[in-house]
Amino acid sequence: ETGVTQSPTHLIKTRGQQVTLRCSSQSGHNTVSWYQQALGQGPQFIFQYYREEENGRGNFPPRFSGLQFPNYSSELNVNALELDDSALYLCASSRGGVAFFGQGTRLTVV
Amino acid sequence: TQLLEQSPQFLSIQEGENLTVYCNSSSVFSSLQWYRQEPGEGPVLLVTVVTGGEVKKLKRLTFQFGDARKDSSLHITAAQPGDTGLYLCAGENTYAGGTSYGKLTFGQGTILTVHP
Repeated sequence: ETGVTQSPTHLIKTRGQQVTLRCSSQSGHNTVSWYQQALGQGPQFIFQYYREEENGRGNFPPRFSGLQFPNYSSELNVNALELDDSALYLCASSRGGVAFFGQGTRLTVV
Repeated sequence: TQLLEQSPQFLSIQEGENLTVYCNSSSVFSSLQWYRQEPGEGPVLLVTVVTGGEVKKLKRLTFQFGDARKDSSLHITAAQPGDTGLYLCAGENTYAGGTSYGKLTFGQGTILTVHP
């Protein structure tokens, strides 16, 4: 139990649709990072939010966007979904050190 | 772009055998973390190594960070079926500045299966 909760756990969307994934970070953690993990691969860094501001971004297009709220919870939004967006999306909360991961949201785009 | 190469990608062994997983990069990392991930779950941190040459032991698991901070290894002694899972190494580079904390570069993972 890491104290990081993601919702929903599973989601099926159609190509071209938009999706919002949510992450509730561990109490006191002011940094949230999002990762995309394709089947059989390691997670890839999407972006990080620190105190409600984007604090670095990986190699993902602008249709991947995010938000962090005053309580440090976070959202990942993906517009114009593509089949290749099918993956496990992980959020990790941290405070200056170790990252704790949620259980992930399994997104399937059909 | 920093990359981490993990090997082997797949490992299938019998209970009681020993194994080693390697994580290599041409880049220097300020720290290296090892995670274990089970199907349908997020990665769970096993250990963080921060000093070149550092060796950490966690019961039957031994972790080592290379002297040059570019590589690491995970050694499991007397593997058990409960060790089955995806093992991931991840590097963090805080040399780039304070904004680098928590941004991890992952290897592609090693899928370990331990048969009873």
